[in-house]
Amino acid sequence: EAGVAQSPRYKIIEKRQSVAFWCNPISGHATLYWYQQILGQGPKLLIQFQNNGVVDDSQLPKDRFSAERLKGVDSTLKIQPAKLEDSAVYLCASRHSSGRAEETQYFGPGTRLLVL
Amino acid sequence: KQEVTQIPAALSVPEGENLVLNCSFTDSAIYNLQWFRQDPGKGLTSLLLIQSSQREQTSGRLNASLDKSSGRSTLYIAASQPGDSATYLCAVVYNQGGKLIFGQGTELSVKP
Repeated sequence: EAGVAQSPRYKIIEKRQSVAFWCNPISGHATLYWYQQILGQGPKLLIQFQNNGVVDDSQLPKDRFSAERLKGVDSTLKIQPAKLEDSAVYLCASRHSSGRAEETQYFGPGTRLLVL
Repeated sequence: KQEVTQIPAALSVPEGENLVLNCSFTDSAIYNLQWFRQDPGKGLTSLLLIQSSQREQTSGRLNASLDKSSGRSTLYIAASQPGDSATYLCAVVYNQGGKLIFGQGTELSVKP
């Protein structure tokens, strides 16, 4: 079974530029998550999709971040304009969401963003 | 506020030693608790998941315990190996939606 795919793996941009990240979840997984992990910290949820609807975006800085999930499969996360403090690893995860309590999330390798 | 704390932030041990990583959470009304491993430049790998009704889970040399009343979990690693070197993250889920609230992680180094 293929895992969660993310691209690009690395990105360097200057502040005020825009950037987009792409995620392809595991086939059949209904729930997709984007997390931001700043160096030395644990990941923090930015947005959660159930199929193509948003479930939780309470911690998404909506003035500069946006995300969509096309047809309930792939997802893109965009930052426009980027700030220095956006430098982080952006992790995408997916979960089947069959309702079983022991279900876990599967993470992609992440996109490492550096804003100069 | 729902917070997760892990101590220590970093740990270095000689190969073969048994060790314990600690995790504490402020809100005891959890749905489940999970332990993840993160290798440099890679994503997270789930190690163990303990449901709120369970007290512990075991996988190979790993054992995770859960004490909801005290808001604590421990990850016990037996007979540590250099390949166990990684960052270990504790995360709590509070509802069926699955949102993970992470601690800051413990960076483990096992010396040959």
